[in-house]
Amino acid sequence: QVQLVESGGGVVQPGGSLRLSCAASGFIFSNYGMHWVRQAPGKGLEWVSFISSDGSKKYYADFVKGRITISRDKSMNTVYLEMNSLRGEDTAVYYCAKDAQTWSAYYFDYWGQGTPVTVSS
Amino acid sequence: EIVLTQSPDFQSVTPREKVTITCRASQSIDSLLHWYQQKPGQSPKLLFQYASQSLSGVPSRFSGSGSGTDFTLTINSLEAEDAATYYCHQTKSLPFTFGGGTKVEIK
Repeated sequence: QVQLVESGGGVVQPGGSLRLSCAASGFIFSNYGMHWVRQAPGKGLEWVSFISSDGSKKYYADFVKGRITISRDKSMNTVYLEMNSLRGEDTAVYYCAKDAQTWSAYYFDYWGQGTPVTVSS
Repeated sequence: EIVLTQSPDFQSVTPREKVTITCRASQSIDSLLHWYQQKPGQSPKLLFQYASQSLSGVPSRFSGSGSGTDFTLTINSLEAEDAATYYCHQTKSLPFTFGGGTKVEIK
């Protein structure tokens, strides 16, 4: 069965950095684009970033552009989110999500359990 | 950016009542609208793709409809297990956006 397991979250000071990881299993990783979606405490869902199946296309939400880099390692079946210059408003649970179609339809059929990121001094 | 406006924000409903959630897009998104259910403490779950195509395992009391700018998620005969927050999501154009969510509470 499809499993997405995030890790790497934690408490970081404003201006700090974190690298989130998402280990995927149960499907052919190299066939699917992957996304990160976040949810601030008590708030709704926000799409953050996408990487295509082959890693050639990367998209970012405006609120993270220039501060975040998405990448993937096909040998490890893992997608990463490198976050820099973190701000208080980046505090959220970060979910890894699998694209629902092999042609990158940009919606999500499986989600991980999320990893919490807290930006605070 | 395409803005999705969901209504209502919150609904308290008696079991077996009908629930209607609407999602309005700020411009036409064809049928590139998807619905998720998020129960407390859980990750979201995809219910409907392309406005009206239900995913396997979604109870038949759920239905989705609409195209263009106006979409509806309907729950006929609400059950206790349907207590959750429901989100619409558009994939017509970047950035991919979500509605603000509709929390459904069981009375």
